Amino acid sequence: DAGVIQSPRHEVTEMGQEVTLRCKPISGHNSLFWYRQTMMRGLELLIYFNNNVPIDDSGMPEDRFSAKMPNASFSTLKIQPSEPRDSAVYFCASSYVGGELFFGEGSRLTVL
Amino acid sequence: DAKTTQPTSMDCAEGRAANLPCNHSTISGNEYVYWYRQIHSQGPQYIIHGLKNNETNEMASLIITEDRKSSTLILPHATLRDTAVYYCIVRSTSYDKVIFGPGTSLSVIP
Repeated sequence: DAGVIQSPRHEVTEMGQEVTLRCKPISGHNSLFWYRQTMMRGLELLIYFNNNVPIDDSGMPEDRFSAKMPNASFSTLKIQPSEPRDSAVYFCASSYVGGELFFGEGSRLTVL
Repeated sequence: DAKTTQPTSMDCAEGRAANLPCNHSTISGNEYVYWYRQIHSQGPQYIIHGLKNNETNEMASLIITEDRKSSTLILPHATLRDTAVYYCIVRSTSYDKVIFGPGTSLSVIP
């Protein structure tokens, strides 16, 4: 298996623009997680899905952030409008329920 | 909030065993202890997990105290490539929220 695949690996955009990050989980996994990592705040859980259903989005910082999982093999994290403070590395991870997490390589976002 | 506490940083001499402690005093009966590590800017990587018995795999050993309130990850012969941030987390088999704390930054010194 190719593992968890994230795209883009790097994104540089200007404040106010829409950003869409994509994730393809490992086939067969039924849990999907989005994390954000910064030096100041560490690895923060934004949202997670079980069987494509959002279970807990309490970590989503504000309404500018939204996440969807239209099917078992694809998820998006959207930021609209983006702000400089959104600059971070965004990780997607997948697992079987209760099992170990497998992380993607991350999407490094820079908002100017 | 993370349910575990770990030292902020540790040093270990290359070739020696690295012993990384973790406290999880509020762990519940159905929660496992998991360890991950993050090398530089890569995504965290699973190392090992356990419920109450000690566990060993090709990467490390996990020692869990009898009361399950703490554990120790052991890297038997640390190499420079083991320099990373190590995260200890607890995870229920029935509740999927996985919170990472700040972890322990391990530096392996030549």
